[in-house]
Amino acid sequence: NAGVTQTPKFRILKIGQSMTLQCTQDMNHNYMYWYRQDPGMGLKLIYYSVGAGITDKGEVPNGYNVSRSTTEDFPLRLELAAPSQTSVYFCASTFGRGAEAFFGQGTRLTVV
Amino acid sequence: AQTVTQSQPEMSVQEAETVTLSCTYDTSESNYYLFWYKQPPSRQMILVIRQEAYKQQNATENRFSVNFQKAAKSFSLKISDSQLGDTAMYFCAFMMSSGGSNYKLTFGKGTLLTVNP
Repeated sequence: NAGVTQTPKFRILKIGQSMTLQCTQDMNHNYMYWYRQDPGMGLKLIYYSVGAGITDKGEVPNGYNVSRSTTEDFPLRLELAAPSQTSVYFCASTFGRGAEAFFGQGTRLTVV
Repeated sequence: AQTVTQSQPEMSVQEAETVTLSCTYDTSESNYYLFWYKQPPSRQMILVIRQEAYKQQNATENRFSVNFQKAAKSFSLKISDSQLGDTAMYFCAFMMSSGGSNYKLTFGKGTLLTVNP
């Protein structure tokens, strides 16, 4: 039972490069979320999805894009990476409506 | 917009003692859900306890219990008989529908709890 799987675990990007953070869940959850975690700032919501084909912005969406073509996958795309995007990124999924959220192991991204 | 405030960036407690972590939130809605998550040094997020706003009874899970004060919009976590393994970052979280079945999950900034031997 894999739960929520994020890849890669670590990545170093150069300024201006692009990359996709992958997130897959095998629990048939409709709700999926992307967060970034910066020291002392908690988890800030980037984007979320309530089902395949439906996405919405969170608190800090600038510089990121998402898509949700299947229930299982919710990739996060970084275009033109900037040092301000250096962070730890977490993907989470849940049945919603007060249910427990399950998290991936996180991706530590450094932009230099 | 819903906000979650944790006013204690860091706390410490002696092993076997009791500690309370504070959380307040802001919403005009009456139906929502509250959670405490734990993040140990491994970085894995783990659910500690959850509370449904329409339930007046405070949730408990073994050594963990909450004090839910709906009118005051307060949701504190009490850890009894603290253990070294409780050392972690603790996040208060809030889930509410932003329209229909559109449930957004919002976190506070966290409280770093250290349990000392």
